[in-house]
Amino acid sequence: DTAVSQTPKYLVTQMGNDKSIKCEQNLGHDTMYWYKQDSKKFLKIMFSYNNKELIINETVPNRFSPKSPDKAHLNLHINSLELGDSAVYFCASSQERPSGGGYAHTDTQYFGPGTRLTVL
Amino acid sequence: GIQVEQSPPDLILQEGANSTLRCNFSDSVNNLQWFHQNPWGQLINLFYIPSGTKQNGRLSATTVATERYSLLYISSSQTTDSGVYFCAVLLSETSGSRLTFGEGTQLTVNP
Repeated sequence: DTAVSQTPKYLVTQMGNDKSIKCEQNLGHDTMYWYKQDSKKFLKIMFSYNNKELIINETVPNRFSPKSPDKAHLNLHINSLELGDSAVYFCASSQERPSGGGYAHTDTQYFGPGTRLTVL
Repeated sequence: GIQVEQSPPDLILQEGANSTLRCNFSDSVNNLQWFHQNPWGQLINLFYIPSGTKQNGRLSATTVATERYSLLYISSSQTTDSGVYFCAVLLSETSGSRLTFGEGTQLTVNP
């Protein structure tokens, strides 16, 4: 009954390779996110999708390409991996509610277990 | 962008002690969450607290939105409380909603 799941949990790969991380949520949420946690444990948003549509792209290199085939899935594909891409990647989901004035209010964000990516 | 500052950066306690962690933020926010990242790396939701006070067992949190800070209280700490505690503030804008995290408080509870 896992709410937000990610695969794989660990990923070790060589520089220059292409890899994907998958995320699925069974909470019925309409918004999903990717966050990156660096070696100093700092967490920063990378992308968010609402109903399969890209909403936030936080100046991430275009080697990173998120894809949302449906509301319950958000995958992250990384091309030409570099040493600096080594980090823990967290997927999250939440439900957005309209709150007037063109803004959406986001309820609690729930995080997946993370994927530890090591680039050698 | 919004700044989120947590203090202290590190905290070492003996089991049974109480502690208070603080989160200051630089602008009005739509919401605030507290997380615990355990030693296995899992991010666990503790509180979703835009204002007021909430309690959950030995943990409680208070957010004073008008003064732009939140406090997390841990009472009778246990070794399983060890890990990193993050405060994250939510800004909802027409460009989307995003959580901005503080740098965390590393808590070590010794037996």
